[in-house]
Amino acid sequence: AQKITQTQPGMFVQEKEAVTLDCTYDTSDQSYGLFWYKQPSSGEMIFLIYQGSYDEQNATEGRYSLNFQKARKSANLVISASQLGDSAMYFCAMREGTGSARQLTFGSGTQLTVLP
Amino acid sequence: KAGVTQTPRYLIKTRGQQVTLSCSPISGHRSVSWYQQTPGQGLQFLFEYFSETQRNKGNFPGRFSGRQFSNSRSEMNVSTLELGDSALYLCASSLRGARTDTQYFGPGTRLTVL
Repeated sequence: AQKITQTQPGMFVQEKEAVTLDCTYDTSDQSYGLFWYKQPSSGEMIFLIYQGSYDEQNATEGRYSLNFQKARKSANLVISASQLGDSAMYFCAMREGTGSARQLTFGSGTQLTVLP
Repeated sequence: KAGVTQTPRYLIKTRGQQVTLSCSPISGHRSVSWYQQTPGQGLQFLFEYFSETQRNKGNFPGRFSGRQFSNSRSEMNVSTLELGDSALYLCASSLRGARTDTQYFGPGTRLTVL
């Protein structure tokens, strides 16, 4: 089974509007971390936001917020007031807490295009 | 603070050759992880090093190996290159590699195998 599922291969949003990128995850661990990264065409993975499984509040970082619904195992990224520079590939990733499996497991990504 | 650096940025090799990629983590970070990114397989974990020890390894053949030095810099080596090894190789560093640690990525090395 996929550990991280991103069901939107591509998304379009008008500049200055908000957009939600979906992410669902699968784990039996109680302790885990969820991350979102942005990858522009240049290739570098840019860290955006982190949510811990025990965090009660949804994480926010500037225009980015994470809509964390633990019971549904979803961790959607919300980008407010989209900018042209937000056009990129976005990856959801999980890091489980047990044993040696502490690497990041990535979803397949969502290609976001911001339209002027 | 300087970010993660990777050298070289681009490489072109032929089948059967070997290649060494280098990664310098953020100062103070002791955990270095390597990932391979391809259009078909997406992002896949290769291995993680912490304090010069390989702590975790992904599902890759033995042709893929790595090491970490006492200054936390890391290298990965791919021997007997195959066409399928063409990929973007990303290095990431974090403080300790704990669950809550954020991994910060370098710009990647784009390897083309002809």
